[in-house]
Amino acid sequence: QKEVEQDPGPLSVPEGAIVSLNCTYSNSAFQYFMWYRQYSRKGPELLMYTYSSGNKEDGRFTAQVDKSSKYISLFIRDSQPSDSATYLCAMRSGNQFYFGTGTSLTVIP
Amino acid sequence: EAQVTQNPRYLITVTGKKLTVTCSQNMNHEYMSWYRQDPGLGLRQIYYSMNVEVTDKGDVPEGYKVSRKEKRNFPLILESPSPNQTSLYFCASSVLGLNNEQFFGPGTRLTVL
Repeated sequence: QKEVEQDPGPLSVPEGAIVSLNCTYSNSAFQYFMWYRQYSRKGPELLMYTYSSGNKEDGRFTAQVDKSSKYISLFIRDSQPSDSATYLCAMRSGNQFYFGTGTSLTVIP
Repeated sequence: EAQVTQNPRYLITVTGKKLTVTCSQNMNHEYMSWYRQDPGLGLRQIYYSMNVEVTDKGDVPEGYKVSRKEKRNFPLILESPSPNQTSLYFCASSVLGLNNEQFFGPGTRLTVL
């Protein structure tokens, strides 16, 4: 079983839609949770981070962590064509990082 | 400009021919790491370094070596590359602050024939 599971998609939504991206994990030692965005032919860039259960909002983006269920989510409101990218969840245990496989998102104008 | 650079960006080589992929950062970060990215497997950590002369294995270290002689540089060495090491490689650096933000390089596309 992988440490981090993420549905690879692809996901295609119309502009303005609400997008929900999810990851599950099996390791209770994960303490920090992150979402990265990766555009084609580029390295990943940090989008959101959190280290506790609950919600964290940043503009159109909301990160949600439920440690009891070992489940994290990223919500994108009013999605834009510029949001088209691959979204990777990431988690940290000690000094090691574990990434999901990434979900490919396309927002259609 | 704060950045992580990798060289080469693209490399095609043959089985068994030793190669080195360089990584350099100009942000004075203590933490540096190498990842490989493969379809269906995502981004997997190969090695990481907490500081000069301190390196540790990640999830998939077999077939790779690293060194950290200077804070800014963290080369990845493949002593005897094999076709299963064909992949997209990323170097990253971080201060490992509360947000755990890692800054990634542009990637190195390696093909081993």
